Amino acid sequence: RKEVEQDPGPFNVPEGATVAFNCTYSNSASQSFFWYRQDCRKEPKLLMSVYSSGNEDGRFTAQLNRASQYISLLIRDSKLSDSATYLCVVNSAGGSYIPTFGRGTSLIVHP
Amino acid sequence: ETGVTQSPTHLIKTRGQQVTLRCSSQSGHNTVSWYQQALGQGPQFIFQYYREEENGRGNFPPRFSGLQFPNYSSELNVNALELDDSALYLCASSGGTADGYTFGSGTRLTVV
Repeated sequence: RKEVEQDPGPFNVPEGATVAFNCTYSNSASQSFFWYRQDCRKEPKLLMSVYSSGNEDGRFTAQLNRASQYISLLIRDSKLSDSATYLCVVNSAGGSYIPTFGRGTSLIVHP
Repeated sequence: ETGVTQSPTHLIKTRGQQVTLRCSSQSGHNTVSWYQQALGQGPQFIFQYYREEENGRGNFPPRFSGLQFPNYSSELNVNALELDDSALYLCASSGGTADGYTFGSGTRLTVV
């Protein structure tokens, strides 16, 4: 089983739709979690951290479920500019924080 | 505040050659990680440096090696290049244990 797993998609949604991605992780001792966005042929950019209590940033909501070992990202009112690959990142436990990336979920928002 | 910069942006090498990629971390960041990203895949962790010491390594052979300098800039060296080494190499820096990472724009390496 991979450490961090994501459905690669693509998710094809119309503008204005709500879309959700899940990401599962295998290490129950993982301590911090993030969502990154990566545009085609560009570097990943931090979208948001994921906190235990859940957090929201505008149209984006991130949730953590430690019992089931998954994190989620919800995007409301999708825009064309949201089209990108969304990478789930889990920091392993232990003395050093090693970010492990999922393979990413591709989102395509169409008019 | 400057971000993470990587050089060169593109590189073409021949199988068997050696390559050195460079990364300047974001100001104030003391941790640097290197990743290899093949097309259609997520970034794969190569290794991480914290204050000039390697403090984590992924599943890459010893011909992948690195350095971090006192100013926290870093190098990735790859010896005996193979065709499968063709990928985007990303450097990322962080200033704290629970911080997210800031990525450079990457070096696209092509091995022919």
